[in-house]
Amino acid sequence: SQTIHQWPATLVQPVGSPLSLECTVEGTSNPNLYWYRQAAGRGLQLLFYSVGIGQISSEVPQNLSASRPQDRQFILSSKKLLLSDSGFYLCAWRLAGKETQYFGPGTRLLVL
Amino acid sequence: LAKTTQPISMDSYEGQEVNITCSHNNIATNDYITWYQQFPSQGPRFIIQGYKTKVTNEVASLFIPADRKSSTLSLPRVSLSDTAVYYCLVGDISAGGSYIPTFGRGTSLIVHP
Repeated sequence: SQTIHQWPATLVQPVGSPLSLECTVEGTSNPNLYWYRQAAGRGLQLLFYSVGIGQISSEVPQNLSASRPQDRQFILSSKKLLLSDSGFYLCAWRLAGKETQYFGPGTRLLVL
Repeated sequence: LAKTTQPISMDSYEGQEVNITCSHNNIATNDYITWYQQFPSQGPRFIIQGYKTKVTNEVASLFIPADRKSSTLSLPRVSLSDTAVYYCLVGDISAGGSYIPTFGRGTSLIVHP
């Protein structure tokens, strides 16, 4: 069966510090991968998606970046965090041609 | 990408049937309608999907009229544990990587005792 992992679960970082969030998927091959951010009480904002290794599409220009070094690994990064980067970060995967997305447990990031 | 409109919030009581309607006036021929449920501090999870008429599973029913410009998620006999945010998505799932699942603000359902 397929599983998706995210870490860390929670993170408190100072403004201006770097960020690295990792997402890995097990039990499937060549998934479409997604990073979303959810601010408190708001909907999900799509940040990045990837349809294959090394392929990254950005939906919202900001100080975040994403990379996909392996088929089932998706990394979200920042060189300098802003206060506005606080939120709940969710990674998800989907097989092409299928609707259902499967979400990870999420990382709650607080930037102080 | 078809835009969806849902009520921001709804209230209900335990044991009642809840119907959440989503408007998608510019839905395309190949678009499917999918609903997700999200509990606090968790990622959304798939509830139901349909193309036309009615779809039913163990959790909910989805009603889609002939013109497909709206859809209604029906939750029978809700309980407190159905308190969550419900999202309606519309898109061509056969479009491969070019289909980008887009979540709006959803409908926040609160079930009262």
